[in-house]
Amino acid sequence: TQLLEQSPQFLSIQEGENLTVYCNSSSVFSSLQWYRQEPGEGPVLLVTVVTGGEVKKLKRLTFQFGDARKDSSLHITAAQPGDTGLYLCTRGNAGNMLTFGGGTRLMVKP
Amino acid sequence: NAGVMQNPRHLVRRRGQEARLRCSPMKGHSHVYWYRQLPEEGLKFMVYLQKENIIDESGMPKERFSAEFPKEGPSILRIQQVVRGDSAAYFCASSPGTPRNTIYFGEGSWLTVV
Repeated sequence: TQLLEQSPQFLSIQEGENLTVYCNSSSVFSSLQWYRQEPGEGPVLLVTVVTGGEVKKLKRLTFQFGDARKDSSLHITAAQPGDTGLYLCTRGNAGNMLTFGGGTRLMVKP
Repeated sequence: NAGVMQNPRHLVRRRGQEARLRCSPMKGHSHVYWYRQLPEEGLKFMVYLQKENIIDESGMPKERFSAEFPKEGPSILRIQQVVRGDSAAYFCASSPGTPRNTIYFGEGSWLTVV
């Protein structure tokens, strides 16, 4: 059983559309990170959120941490083909290693 | 390039051979993590090491897999007597051990067992 549930698992949209992906857990996060992984490469850190209710913006990406720190969302405005990739959320565990969700595979078609 | 360095990037082994994957963490980082990613799947934690110590190996298969992070040199993930099911991308990550748990990934080593 995964500790982190990401949805949707797959998303295929046209360039210019908006989208939201989600990361949920039944337990509280001390912190949460979002990574993006492109084919053939390693995951790249996008953002870290630590405070309930926190909202962070990274150009067209908006990250929100739930008030109860059990969930997070990533919203992309006017998606571009360069946004294509696997979006992973993670949480810190005791011992400093990270548990990953299964990811959302996003494809943005031109 | 001051990032996490992994080599080889691609490795082909026949069933029964040994695979050795190397990881040099970012400068100043003393914590190393190994993850495995099967095709079309997410990342699965394997092992967490600090210099000369294995901190958490709860994700490591009990047989054929081992990892080390010596005082000098890179961390090594070793897979003995490889089988086709070992074919995957193996990612190394490192961190300085800060409370925020931010870790940085290498570009991965793709193992193919034929």
